[in-house]
Amino acid sequence: GAVVSQHPSRVICKSGTSVKIECRSLDFQATTMFWYRQFPKQSLMLMATSNEGSKATYEQGVEKDKFLINHASLTLSTLTVTSAHPEDSSFYICSARDSEDSNYGYTFGSGTRLTVV
Amino acid sequence: GQNIDQPTEMTATEGAIVQINCTYQTSGFNGLFWYQQHAGEAPTFLSYNVLDGLEEKGRFSSFLSRSKGYSYLLLKELQMKDSASYLCAVDTSGTYKYIFGTGTRLKVLA
Repeated sequence: GAVVSQHPSRVICKSGTSVKIECRSLDFQATTMFWYRQFPKQSLMLMATSNEGSKATYEQGVEKDKFLINHASLTLSTLTVTSAHPEDSSFYICSARDSEDSNYGYTFGSGTRLTVV
Repeated sequence: GQNIDQPTEMTATEGAIVQINCTYQTSGFNGLFWYQQHAGEAPTFLSYNVLDGLEEKGRFSSFLSRSKGYSYLLLKELQMKDSASYLCAVDTSGTYKYIFGTGTRLKVLA
């Protein structure tokens, strides 16, 4: 089945620094990927839709200048959390779909646990 | 607005059957998905319904009624490893941009 690789799995950074999270689709091309954020004991909240070769579409309330998304190729999307603050600490997950997979569902990356200190 | 509701927590006994409900009110509907998520891990796909009725996959079944805005996930022969959160998600626009429900934390007791 389709595999999505997300890196790093855990990162701790200082307030004010930036952190980049990578999401790669392995063995399939993904023109669209989605980025989610999940706080403890809560469900996934969609942050943005990442489109290959064009600007990302952000959900209401998500600051596009703070959460920079780059989808430069058909297999890679990156999310950069700029000027991180402790309230940005969360579990970030990407997802992508292999259009040739009859499974219908999206495949999620393994997630990145971000802690800002 | 978009609203997807699930019970917050459920408890069941090993070997039993449990039904997790999901009700939704969304601006559009192009399919409903169920995902399983263990603590600290990414969700994994369980099932997909776009037409009314029951979809069965081994120990897991999912039901959909579009007229009622209602779905349920049925887990049979519960095992300890089934202890996880179960997320209901709706594709509202046909673009696979999901809206997730609040999630149901299921505890399976020995």
